[in-house]
Amino acid sequence: SQQGEEDPQALSIQEGENATMNCSYKTSINNLQWYRQNSGRGLVHLILIRSNEREKHSGRLRVTLDTSKKSSSLLITASRAADTASYFCATDQKHNFNKFYFGSGTKLNVKP
Amino acid sequence: SQTIHQWPATLVQPVGSPLSLECTVEGTSNPNLYWYRQAAGRGLQLLFYSVGIGQISSEVPQNLSASRPQDRQFILSSKKLLLSDSGFYLCAWKTSGISSEQYFGPGTRLTVT
Repeated sequence: SQQGEEDPQALSIQEGENATMNCSYKTSINNLQWYRQNSGRGLVHLILIRSNEREKHSGRLRVTLDTSKKSSSLLITASRAADTASYFCATDQKHNFNKFYFGSGTKLNVKP
Repeated sequence: SQTIHQWPATLVQPVGSPLSLECTVEGTSNPNLYWYRQAAGRGLQLLFYSVGIGQISSEVPQNLSASRPQDRQFILSSKKLLLSDSGFYLCAWKTSGISSEQYFGPGTRLTVT
């Protein structure tokens, strides 16, 4: 069954504001990954967080993982118009780290 | 560095025609390879994945098949396309191992008419 599901489906903010997106999943995982997709393009890998990690940072990105709640969040600080894109989380499964399940994504619009 | 190629970028095919999409990876050996399909405004659906030459796992029963004739080549095929096969097809790779990132190609936009 489908694993990751993002929330909200769409988010519109002003440049300079922070954007928070959430991901929930159903079964135990080894890793959770976040991706960005600009319209009509391939996915760009943003960050991978392991199940034994609680928080990870990369530049303006901050990812948290709560395995007890089976949820993750992606925070983009000081957003820019160039951050406008769809954001997806992807999870593997504890018994199969070779398969990935994606949610439907959060569409972020950053207004200049 | 590693790169992944997909072609063609766009394709318009009539119903009932065959399909062949190719994906190749450079700069790595024995990668895991993946085919996904994305419907408009939706998430990615895993179609096939391969952990080695000739090893294909199919995730969803459908009108498509996949083959891996060489270590870094992954091909998605169909003998007869259906309208429902339209979508954005993405190839991806990752190194073997439990905690490695997955990297995507630029995708192929397929429209079946």
